Amino acid sequence: QSVLTQPPSASGTPGQRVTISCSGSISNIGGNTVTWFQQLPGTAPKLLIHSNNQRPSGVPDRFSGSKSGTSASLAISGLQSEDEADYYCAVWDDTLNGVFGGGTKLTVL
Amino acid sequence: EVQLVQSGAEVKKPGESLRISCKGSGYNFANYRIGWVRQMPGKGLEWIGIIYPTDSTTKYSPSFQGRVTISADKSVSTAYLQWGSLKASDTAIYYCARHSGYSGAGYYSIVPDYWGQGTLVTVSS
Repeated sequence: QSVLTQPPSASGTPGQRVTISCSGSISNIGGNTVTWFQQLPGTAPKLLIHSNNQRPSGVPDRFSGSKSGTSASLAISGLQSEDEADYYCAVWDDTLNGVFGGGTKLTVL
Repeated sequence: EVQLVQSGAEVKKPGESLRISCKGSGYNFANYRIGWVRQMPGKGLEWIGIIYPTDSTTKYSPSFQGRVTISADKSVSTAYLQWGSLKASDTAIYYCARHSGYSGAGYYSIVPDYWGQGTLVTVSS
């Protein structure tokens, strides 16, 4: 069981806005930045959001991240069928010790 | 173009040793940390540890400390993950990932930005 808690599943219809939560503690989310990854079926994870809310080049602005206290959220607006994937939050502390959330399987209905 | 190319799938017996590799190209390999991540069948991602190829300093997750060894050879731009004695529970896909630093107003993050394709390790008698 991960120290970062995510809901196991989420769903939405095309065009909708969905959010995925990631809950932690002062020792992980509370004191460090949050990263989000997208893992499409059968592929390697892809960096989606870093530093709580920063999108790497090439990531659509439909994806956004936020953090408040010991929790973080990933929001996907204008949901598309190709967004169906597993999503993971993660934290690396200042000693480079890393931890992932348990993952959320997003289904586009 | 930044690429991380991992070695091919392995099938091993319990008790055997194994080393898998991750070769970086398209960037200065020595200057970026390489991390390793495990994904057991049908399960989530687990962080194993990280190495800085410049001086080979390593950091391991407590869950993997003593079970695996991470190393790197900057002369051939390759990082390695090895086991001395495999168990059936080591069956998983293992990913390597380059870690880059991102800085901005009030923050500095080191996160995995490029990933290898994964190496499937199967341990079965």
